Amino acid sequence: GQQLNQSPQSMFIQEGEDVSMNCTSSSIFNTWLWYKQDPGEGPVLLIALYKAGELTSNGRLTAQFGITRKDSFLNISASIPSDVGIYFCAGRTNTGNQFYFGTGTSLTVIP
Amino acid sequence: ETGVTQTPRHLVMGMTNKKSLKCEQHLGHNAMYWYKQSAKKPLELMFVYNFKEQTENNSVPSRFSPECPNSSHLFLHLHTLQPEDSALYLCASRLAGMAGELFFGEGSRLTVL
Repeated sequence: GQQLNQSPQSMFIQEGEDVSMNCTSSSIFNTWLWYKQDPGEGPVLLIALYKAGELTSNGRLTAQFGITRKDSFLNISASIPSDVGIYFCAGRTNTGNQFYFGTGTSLTVIP
Repeated sequence: ETGVTQTPRHLVMGMTNKKSLKCEQHLGHNAMYWYKQSAKKPLELMFVYNFKEQTENNSVPSRFSPECPNSSHLFLHLHTLQPEDSALYLCASRLAGMAGELFFGEGSRLTVL
């Protein structure tokens, strides 16, 4: 199946720092989604992107749909302890119902 | 509260048991999904239902049997599972179409002894 490469795999940062993570695919996507998952819970949708070049914010989170349509980026500004969790990207092509997921970025925020 | 409810949240079963996982969505969506999440692996798509019709079966073993009686309910029937089937099983739903974000339930943590 489709592989999404998500990096970095894990990050340890100080509270207040900014965070960047990204996803790349070998195929062109027309939808990119970013999720956060806390331990023992399901993924929660953070941001949805539908258009190449689109930049969308949700509070301190900003995500971009890459111009090539094969990548996406998520930035978190001024991190706080509750940002701890695993962040997943997901992409969908123009056809079908299937979403492909990255392997996740584990974020630890040190107070 | 995402509008997608999964029960039970935790399930322990022996390899000879038969059990079922249930998912219900209150979002008016028409497509429902089962995903399997194992440690250190990306989410694995198992099944997709679109308007109650199965549109994807990702080579899932027959010991997993899905059922979608209507657009709001999805079941995963389990029988003669193996210990390697222990995982978090996630249900998701969306409004099928060009847009339509995927919303997940909280998951059912399955342990097979």
